[in-house]
Amino acid sequence: ILNVEQSPQSLHVQEGDSTNFTCSFPSSNFYALHWYRWETAKSPEALFVMTLNGDEKKKGRISATLNTKEGYSYLYIKGSQPEDSATYLCAFPGSSNTGKLIFGQGTTLQVKP
Amino acid sequence: DAGITQSPRHKVTETGTPVTLRCHQTENHRYMYWYRQDPGHGLRLIHYSYGVKDTDKGEVSDGYSVSRSKTEDFLLTLESATSSQTSVYFCAIQAGRTTEAFFGQGTRLTVV
Repeated sequence: ILNVEQSPQSLHVQEGDSTNFTCSFPSSNFYALHWYRWETAKSPEALFVMTLNGDEKKKGRISATLNTKEGYSYLYIKGSQPEDSATYLCAFPGSSNTGKLIFGQGTTLQVKP
Repeated sequence: DAGITQSPRHKVTETGTPVTLRCHQTENHRYMYWYRQDPGHGLRLIHYSYGVKDTDKGEVSDGYSVSRSKTEDFLLTLESATSSQTSVYFCAIQAGRTTEAFFGQGTRLTVV
């Protein structure tokens, strides 16, 4: 079983605050690292798929970095807005050719107006 | 939107009965997954498929079986439903391992 850990489990911030959370994954046989955004009562939607060490991806106010050697990725949200409230999941496909996309337990972000 | 649909969307069943959930895709994606949503655990992988008739177990496969007889359909069967299997089930599809996964709308299953 792959170990994909996310921290913190939950986060409460004020509107306008910037925030970040962490995903750690096995550093050996790296293939890719995914980030998803999951709003209440909806289905998860992809934010980023990262494949290269040192990769940085950005979508609006959300960005992510990747360190495959030490096995972690950070997700940053700049100037949080109430509509950013959601659970953010990372996922790791593992090293075998057969797939097995494993998710971390998620970080739930609540942004207060 | 990716062509993925789950059926049924809601189901209430009695303990001990078999239940089958269906995931149907129109994208011809190789990988298909069944997850369950549990508080504090995010999404936990039940079973997955990497091709027609190629399936394997995930983290929480006990009490579940799957079948994929054609590319577009991935069936999840609860052989004898228990109350602990009350959950929301999500199907996902993925073209390749470095591409994003797309999720169905979810199936809310209640076992009474």
